[in-house]
Amino acid sequence: DSGVTQTPKHLITATGQRVTLRCSPRSGDLSVYWYQQSLDQGLQFLIQYYNGEERAKGNILERFSAQQFPDLHSELNLSSLELGDSALYFCASSTGRITDTQYFGPGTRLTVL
Amino acid sequence: AQSVTQLDSQVPVFEEAPVELRCNYSSSVSVYLFWYVQYPNQGLQLLLKYLSGSTLVKGINGFEAEFNKSQTSFHLRKPSVHISDTAEYFCAVSKRIGTGGSEKLVFGKGTKLTVNP
Repeated sequence: DSGVTQTPKHLITATGQRVTLRCSPRSGDLSVYWYQQSLDQGLQFLIQYYNGEERAKGNILERFSAQQFPDLHSELNLSSLELGDSALYFCASSTGRITDTQYFGPGTRLTVL
Repeated sequence: AQSVTQLDSQVPVFEEAPVELRCNYSSSVSVYLFWYVQYPNQGLQLLLKYLSGSTLVKGINGFEAEFNKSQTSFHLRKPSVHISDTAEYFCAVSKRIGTGGSEKLVFGKGTKLTVNP
């Protein structure tokens, strides 16, 4: 158990819909990262938050947005969903530096029908 | 541009045999290198990382990796594998984003290690 929790574990929805994925970091970690894992793209970094503020942005689509709340949990919002958004979405947490170990949650599997 | 190439998508081995999972990276600047493991239906877990210093890095579960700057490689090795090592292994390299000083991890496509009895 990494100490990072993600809900829900599975999500099935239709094209055009909007969903919210939630992540709670390990106790003491200030930074949250979001990743997308798909068969064709592999594991892609989406975005990083540190203590409530956006720190780094990766290959995140404009239809996707995220935030980190004062209690440090984070939410990833995916809107206008397309079939190609079907993937595993991972959240990871760390103390914040790139050299620090990132602890991954179990992931949310999103299926868009 | 920094990228990571994992040369083998699948590696089957027998139990107690040695294994090497290959990783090459491309970068013109100093980087940090990582190996993560993903067991079936789980998130990723750090095996080991190279930040600086000794080029031989020891990790968890008996794995080790050697940083070779001249060959831009960071191969993962284990002298004797167990059935429980069956998993997908990802090599990752740090990459600077823009000019603001932020960084991200760039992952390879992964190598599926299957250990057979």
